[in-house]
Parts: sequence; C-alpha cells; structure tokens
Amino acid sequence: RKEVEQDPGPFNVPEGATVAFNCTYSNSASQSFFWYRQDCRKEPKLLMSVYSSGNEDGRFTAQLNRASQYISLLIRDSKLSDSATYLCVVKVVSSASKIIFGSGTRLSIRP
Amino acid sequence: EADIYQTPRYLVIGTGKKITLECSQTMGHDKMYWYQQDPGMELHLIHYSYGVNSTEKGDLSSESTVSRIRTEHFPLTLESARPSHTSQYLCASSGHYNSPLHFGNGTRLTVT
Repeated sequence: RKEVEQDPGPFNVPEGATVAFNCTYSNSASQSFFWYRQDCRKEPKLLMSVYSSGNEDGRFTAQLNRASQYISLLIRDSKLSDSATYLCVVKVVSSASKIIFGSGTRLSIRP
Repeated sequence: EADIYQTPRYLVIGTGKKITLECSQTMGHDKMYWYQQDPGMELHLIHYSYGVNSTEKGDLSSESTVSRIRTEHFPLTLESARPSHTSQYLCASSGHYNSPLHFGNGTRLTVT
C-alpha cells in the first residue's frame, strides 16, 4: 500500500462544474500537506498549503482531516485552464527527506 | 515566484558523455532535492541535501552524483550518459520543515 494515495482519475468534467479530489495518507507523523498542480511536461507548482482549519483561495478549497488521515481539494466553477494533474504532497516531520508525493489525479475540463 | 533555476532547459547528448545539470536557488534554502520524472509518471527522488557538504541518495537508485559546496548550488553529474538516463530532471528546494517545495523548471535530457 502506498503511503499517499490519490484518486487516479482521469476526471473529465464540463466547464463550470465542481470537482473534488481526495488523498489519503498512512503515516500519522505527517505534519505538512500541500496540493500541487502539474501541467504536461512542466514542473509541479504549489497550488496551496492545507491547514487543519481548512483554507480557501478563490475557487479552490482545501480540507484536512487528521483523524481520518485524508486531505481534499475542491474546485468550484471549473475553467478550461484548470486542466492539469493535481498532486497531493505530504511532509513527515523529523526527516527532511520524507516528502511523499501522490501519483497524481488527472483533470480534464471540456468546453 | 520561487527563485530556483535549472540549466540547461533541454539537452541532447550522445552515449558515454559526461554531463552536469545545474541547479541554483537564491532563497537561502538549506534543503535541496533532485527528482526524476518520465512523461505521465510519478516523481522519484534521486538525491537530496540538508545543507553544505551534506548529500544523500534518494529512493530511486541512480548512477548520478551530486555535490553541495555552496548553499545556493546543487549540481547533478552523470559520468557516462546512457539512453536509460533519458528523462526529465527536476530540482527543488525548501526552507524550514513545514514549508513547501519550490521546483525549478526542469532539464529535459535525451541520450542518443
């Protein structure tokens, strides 16, 4: 079982739809959580950090549930430009090298 | 925007050549990383560094080596390139433990 698991996708949704991704992690020492976006053949770019209280950035909302060990990303009013792969990233405290990437969820927005 | 730079952006080279991929960051980050990623596939950590004179191998076995003589610079070297080294190489850095990774724009390497 992978330490970080994501919905594999691909998700194919119409423009304007709301789409949600989930990511589960198995290491209870996980301390920091992030969502990254990666376009085809580009580097991953930080979309948002995820905080226990939940956080919102425009159309994007991230939630963390430590008890159930999952994080989520909600995209409202999706745009064509939201088409990308979304990576869940977990940092485990006590080791700088323990940064775990999910395998990513592909999202395709259709007109 | 993060200030982390990789050169070259693209490199096509023949088998057996020695190559060095450059990575520099101007944020004063102690932690730096090299990842390898094939198209449509997952990122794999190949090297990391906690600071000057500190380097470690990552999860994926790699024939490359790295050095960290200066905080801002983390070059990756392949002594003898092979077609199996064809891939995208991504450099990243981070500050304190809870901060996110910042990636460079990658080097796409093709070994013929």
